[in-house]
Amino acid sequence: QVQLVQSGAEVKKPGASVKVSCKASGYTFTSYGISWVRQAPGQGLEWMGWISAYNGNTNYAQKLQGRVTMTTDTSTSTAYMELRSLRSDDTAVYYCAREGSPVDYWGQGTLVTVSS
Amino acid sequence: EIVLTQSPATLSLSPGERATLSCRASQSVSSYLAWYQQKPGQAPRLLIYDASNRATGIPARFSGSGSGTDFTLTISSLEPEDFAVYYCQQRSNWPTFGPGTKVDIK
Repeated sequence: QVQLVQSGAEVKKPGASVKVSCKASGYTFTSYGISWVRQAPGQGLEWMGWISAYNGNTNYAQKLQGRVTMTTDTSTSTAYMELRSLRSDDTAVYYCAREGSPVDYWGQGTLVTVSS
Repeated sequence: EIVLTQSPATLSLSPGERATLSCRASQSVSSYLAWYQQKPGQAPRLLIYDASNRATGIPARFSGSGSGTDFTLTISSLEPEDFAVYYCQQRSNWPTFGPGTKVDIK
């Protein structure tokens, strides 16, 4: 069965960086993209961007351009999302999700807390 | 950016009742609209894609309709496990989500 397993919760100081991993199993990793979506506490869902696991092409939300990088490691079927220059309003649960147009399977989420 | 508006914000119903949730787009998204269910502490779950297609394993009591700018998610008879927040999402343009409709127990 399709599974996306994310790395554990992180606590970071403002200005630091965080890198969240998402290990996929149960399907051919390079046949789908991976999208990243975040959800601030008590808020709705925000699309951060997408990466093709086939060729590494990316598409990032304009508001995150320059601070976010999405990568994949096809040898381990793992996707990564790095967010730099963290601010308090980056505190959120970060989800990876398989992009099957639409997104059909989600990871369990990774809580990233930004606090001094 | 295409803005999605969902109504109502909260829907208070009893088990067994019919739920009708609305999603309106600021411009046409054709049929590129999905519905997700989210329960507290859980990731969203895909219910409906391309406006009216049920995702794998989704019960027949969930149905979707609409095209262009106006869409509806209907739950024909609410089960206890259906009380949750429902989000619509479009992928016609840069993907965006609606703000959600909370279905709670009356």
